[in-house]
Amino acid sequence: DQQVKQNSPSLSVQEGRISILNCDYTNSMFDYFLWYKKYPAEGPTFLISISSIKDKNEDGRFTVFLNKSAKHLSLHIVPSQPGDSAVYFCAEDTGNQFYFGTGTSLTVIP
Amino acid sequence: NAGVTQTPKFRVLKTGQSMTLLCAQDMNHEYMYWYRQDPGMGLRLIHYSVGEGTTAKGEVPDGYNVSRLKKQNFLLGLESAAPSQTSVYFCASSFDPLVGYTFGSGTRLTVV
Repeated sequence: DQQVKQNSPSLSVQEGRISILNCDYTNSMFDYFLWYKKYPAEGPTFLISISSIKDKNEDGRFTVFLNKSAKHLSLHIVPSQPGDSAVYFCAEDTGNQFYFGTGTSLTVIP
Repeated sequence: NAGVTQTPKFRVLKTGQSMTLLCAQDMNHEYMYWYRQDPGMGLRLIHYSVGEGTTAKGEVPDGYNVSRLKKQNFLLGLESAAPSQTSVYFCASSFDPLVGYTFGSGTRLTVV
């Protein structure tokens, strides 16, 4: 069974609106969560992270929320821009292993 | 369980030693990738393969070699390890390069 799940393989959003990408995890221990962004033909680049002692981390247009009781992680992009169109991965770092979701492809429509 | 398996999970090497990291997938994916992750750098592509018997260089290929003799296996070799190769290495596979990646759990390599 997958440790980290991204149940939406794709998402389309109008430019200027909010994009919300979701991620669920099964491990309940103290962990560190990361979001990566990947453009076609390029490697994933680190976007934002959050420690499990926090419930929110913000960096410009990007905010990550962590709901530990629901074991749910979400990435909010506001406002969405066409350049945000990419595949987004969430990942969990347990300290011993990394677990990645399978990715959500975001398309921002101009 | 179906997925991507990386071995070993941890390794400490001395400078100049060689080693091979193994990546195995049982999903019949054509595409396989090796990445390294360094603090503040994100994941950088080392080498990749678009099918059995094929390999290609990624962003940071120097000091590494790869082989894809069987579709399910993608091997990453370090011929003469250097401290700069201390990193966390990830293997991934996909059926479509645009979506649907499956990552391994990582190999933490330290070169002293």
